This record gives sequence, C-alpha cells and structure tokens, in this order.
Amino acid sequence: SQTIHQWPATLVQPVGSPLSLECTVEGTSNPNLYWYRQAAGRGLQLLFYSVGIGQISSEVPQNLSASRPQDRQFILSSKKLLLSDSGFYLCAWSRGADTQYFGPGTRLTVL
Amino acid sequence: RKEVEQDPGPFNVPEGATVAFNCTYSNSASQSFFWYRQDCRKEPKLLMSVYSSGNEDGRFTAQLNRASQYISLLIRDSKLSDSATYLCVVNRPSGTYKYIFGTGTRLKVLA
Repeated sequence: SQTIHQWPATLVQPVGSPLSLECTVEGTSNPNLYWYRQAAGRGLQLLFYSVGIGQISSEVPQNLSASRPQDRQFILSSKKLLLSDSGFYLCAWSRGADTQYFGPGTRLTVL
Repeated sequence: RKEVEQDPGPFNVPEGATVAFNCTYSNSASQSFFWYRQDCRKEPKLLMSVYSSGNEDGRFTAQLNRASQYISLLIRDSKLSDSATYLCVVNRPSGTYKYIFGTGTRLKVLA
C-alpha cells in the first residue's frame, strides 16, 4: 500500500529565516506530487505540482520554491520566510488525474 | 465567480438527521469530482469519488448534475463522528493535474 510522509509535523520560524519541508511517498512510482497551503479558516491553495523528476509547475508567484530531486521526494523551500507564510502545508500525491492522497501536513508558524 | 463554491455553514443538525450539501463548479469541462472530509487540524481524507450516475457508500450518497454544474453529498442518519468539514474537489479539464478545492462546509452533529 502507498504511504506519504511529511516532516517536520510542526515548525516555528522567525521572519527572514529559510525553510525546507520534505515529503516522500512510498509504495508507488512516478506519482504526481503537490504542495498546498491552508491558511487558518481558509481553503486549500495549490502552490506547486510536479508530474516527474525536475518538472515543477508553480501556481502562485511568491517567495516559495519547490524541487523534486527524486521520483518520490518533493521539497518545499524558501530563502526568507514572511509572516504571511504561516499556515498548514500539505503534500499530496495522485496517479494521473485520479484521487489525491494527503500527507499529515506541517503546521508552520512564522513569528 | 469562484471555480468551486460551497456554503461554508456551519450546519448544526441533531443525531439521526439527514443533511445535504451542494457544491457548484464553473468549468463545464471538469471531469473528476470528489468529496473529502477534513477534521480539525488534520489532513483532508477522501470520502468518496462522485460518478456521473451517482453513487452510494453506506449512509453517504453523492450525485453529479452536469447540466447545472453541481455535485451534492447526502448524509443519512448523522452520527456525532460525522462532525467535520466537507470539501468539494473538482479537477480541471484533461491535460492538467490540478485540483480545485472548495473552502468546505462545516458540519456539527449534536447529541
């Protein structure tokens, strides 16, 4: 069966600090991978998605970036965090346009 | 107009009640539809896919109306454990792998 991992589970960072969130998927190959952000009391906002190694599509221009160095690894990064980057970051995978499955998420607080 | 719209609720219903949620989508070329459930501070989890002919899973029934561009979720015999936020999800037309999430409808089942 497939599983998706995210870490860390929670993170508190000062404004201007860098960020690296990691997501890995097990039990499948060549998945589509996604990063979402959910601000408090709001819906999911798609940040990036990837259909293969090194292939990243950005949905929203901002100070975040994503990379996919391996087939089942997806990384979300920032060089300098803003207060507005606080939120619940969710990684998801899918096979084609089929159902998406989410990881447990990282709760980020920027102070 | 938002791509996917849901009534935010909350819907407060007594145990045993039947409750229905609707979700409208704007892109008539959308092809895949889902209902997810999200508990407080947790990741969304797939509740059910929505098929053109309608489908049922225990107490849950999902229907799709392509002509009017809406999907619905009916919950019969509500349980306390059904309390959650229900997210409507629509994928963009073929050739992309982007999913659009509604902001969710909050359900509270009361004892």
